[in-house]
Amino acid sequence: AQSVTQLGSHVSVSEGALVLLRCNYSSSVPPYLFWYVQYPNQGLQLLLKYTSAATLVKGINGFEAEFKKSETSFHLTKPSAHMSDAAEYFCAVSANQAGTALIFGKGTTLSVSS
Amino acid sequence: KAGVTQTPRYLIKTRGQQVTLSCSPISGHRSVSWYQQTPGQGLQFLFEYFSETQRNKGNFPGRFSGRQFSNSRSEMNVSTLELGDSALYLCASSSTSGGKNIQYFGAGTRLSVL
Repeated sequence: AQSVTQLGSHVSVSEGALVLLRCNYSSSVPPYLFWYVQYPNQGLQLLLKYTSAATLVKGINGFEAEFKKSETSFHLTKPSAHMSDAAEYFCAVSANQAGTALIFGKGTTLSVSS
Repeated sequence: KAGVTQTPRYLIKTRGQQVTLSCSPISGHRSVSWYQQTPGQGLQFLFEYFSETQRNKGNFPGRFSGRQFSNSRSEMNVSTLELGDSALYLCASSSTSGGKNIQYFGAGTRLSVL
């Protein structure tokens, strides 16, 4: 069965600092991996997705993630945090390229201080 | 283009009642997925409908059911409500044509069961 594990339920950074949110996956088949962001009282917004075309995936708002098969990881990074990045972030895996039937991690809340 | 619309935004029900939630996908999207979000269990996949047929199903009891109409609008029904059904229910639509394959989420329906 496929699953994802997000390490750290809460991450705090200063504005301008590097953001690193960790995600490890478990999959018996080539995974389709996603990062979503959720702002308070809103639905989920797709940040980026990995579908085997390239190991380094660039997303919206300056975020990117690197797929590392040897480490079964798909960590999300952003070089310089902004106050507006404060939100909850979810890593997810899907059995199909359509990205439906997603299995989500528990989420990581990112706090950004000035 | 209008986004995914979920109605109502908030619902209060009592134990034993049933409830129906509605989701209108983005125009042209034929896939609709439903998710339950709770503080304890996180985001969990309920089911996916594509062209009026259930294509994928999560691990939820039979009290949870859904359907999709010919215009791709979808409804989710929960019968015999339990306190544990209190959650944010998210709907997502996606297009599997043109390689877009991105799920767009609605803002959700927050259900409180008293």
